[in-house]
Amino acid sequence: RKEVEQDPGPFNVPEGATVAFNCTYSNSASQSFFWYRQDCRKEPKLLMSVYSSGNEDGRFTAQLNRASQYISLLIRDSKLSDSATYLCVVNNPLHTGTASKLTFGTGTRLQVTL
Amino acid sequence: EPEVTQTPSHQVTQMGQEVILRCVPISNHLYFYWYRQILGQKVEFLVSFYNNEISEKSEIFDDQFSVERPDGSNFTLKIRSTKLEDSAMYFCASSGLEREQYFGPGTRLTVT
Repeated sequence: RKEVEQDPGPFNVPEGATVAFNCTYSNSASQSFFWYRQDCRKEPKLLMSVYSSGNEDGRFTAQLNRASQYISLLIRDSKLSDSATYLCVVNNPLHTGTASKLTFGTGTRLQVTL
Repeated sequence: EPEVTQTPSHQVTQMGQEVILRCVPISNHLYFYWYRQILGQKVEFLVSFYNNEISEKSEIFDDQFSVERPDGSNFTLKIRSTKLEDSAMYFCASSGLEREQYFGPGTRLTVT
């Protein structure tokens, strides 16, 4: 089983639509969770951290279900500028207080159209 | 807003040559990382670095790779003898006490 699994898409949606991405992770010891976005041939950019209580940042809402090892991202009122690849990312620190690696999913491509 | 910077943006080298990729992490960050992304594939962890030593490294990070923090600001990745399969985007990242990692714009390495 892949460490972080995402539907690769693409998701083609019209401007203004609501779109949801899902992700599952295999390591139950994973401690931190993130959504990054990546534009073509650019670096991953942190979109938001994901907390157990769920969190919202403007049009973006992230949810975490630790029991099911499932993370989601909801984008409301999609804009053309939201077109990108959305990366589900988990963090597995070796020990508290040490540097830790991020494990990336393959990403879900979103194309927002007029 | 502080950001991670990387040089060069693009490096072309011949197989067997040594390359050094440079990064300047965000100034008050303590943890430093290198990742790579082969074209069309996912981002993969290479190495993490804290307190002047490697914290963790992946299977990719073999004896051909090394990292160094030669001064208070730079963080480098050296590949001693490049192979064709080392062609990829190499991203440097840094983080502070919180776990959020911020990525530089990357160096595209092409090995011919």
